[in-house]
Amino acid sequence: DADVTQTPRNRITKTGKRIMLECSQTKGHDRMYWYRQDPGLGLQLIYYSFDVKDINKGEISDGYSVSRQAQAKFSLSLESAIPNQTALYFCATSDFPEETQYFGPGTRLLVL
Amino acid sequence: EDQVTQSPEALRLQEGESSSLNCSYTVSGLRGLFWYRQDPGKGPEFLFTLYSAGEEKEKERLKATLTKKESFLHITAPKPEDSATYLCAVQASGASKIIFGSGTRLSIRP
Repeated sequence: DADVTQTPRNRITKTGKRIMLECSQTKGHDRMYWYRQDPGLGLQLIYYSFDVKDINKGEISDGYSVSRQAQAKFSLSLESAIPNQTALYFCATSDFPEETQYFGPGTRLLVL
Repeated sequence: EDQVTQSPEALRLQEGESSSLNCSYTVSGLRGLFWYRQDPGKGPEFLFTLYSAGEEKEKERLKATLTKKESFLHITAPKPEDSATYLCAVQASGASKIIFGSGTRLSIRP
């Protein structure tokens, strides 16, 4: 079984809809991250969390929110989806002090 | 401002033709440099972490090296299955985040 799982793997939604992407991990890591990736671009950090009570904004948090339900679960929400949020979204986990990040398989999101 | 630049953007090689990918970085102090492999539509897969200038790590046909300003990912006698995008990322001292480069798309022709 994969250490980091994401659901759904693919999602098509309409402009203005609220959607949630979910991430679960079995690695036992405290730190979790949400990134988006656009074609030809690197990974951009949306939000990150170092423990259940810690939530931090990344480079591109506008239009997104997150919830850390447990050590193993970190959800990303798009409050009102817009077409330029069409992208590939990745969840990642890491542990201190190693800091190596381990990624999930990604969610491909299309906003029409 | 911390920055990571990868070159070339794309590289096409013949099977068996060795080459190197470059990752140049600017950070106030390096805590770690990471290399990942990413296949189309999949999540990045961890390859190496380097911590200090002069350090080298190897895995099969890949070897990563580090200087004070850049890192190289050397690919020796590549095979078609080495085709992927290779991502470099750095973490600055005292920083809680890592910064990714935009990657090098490597294609190996049989």
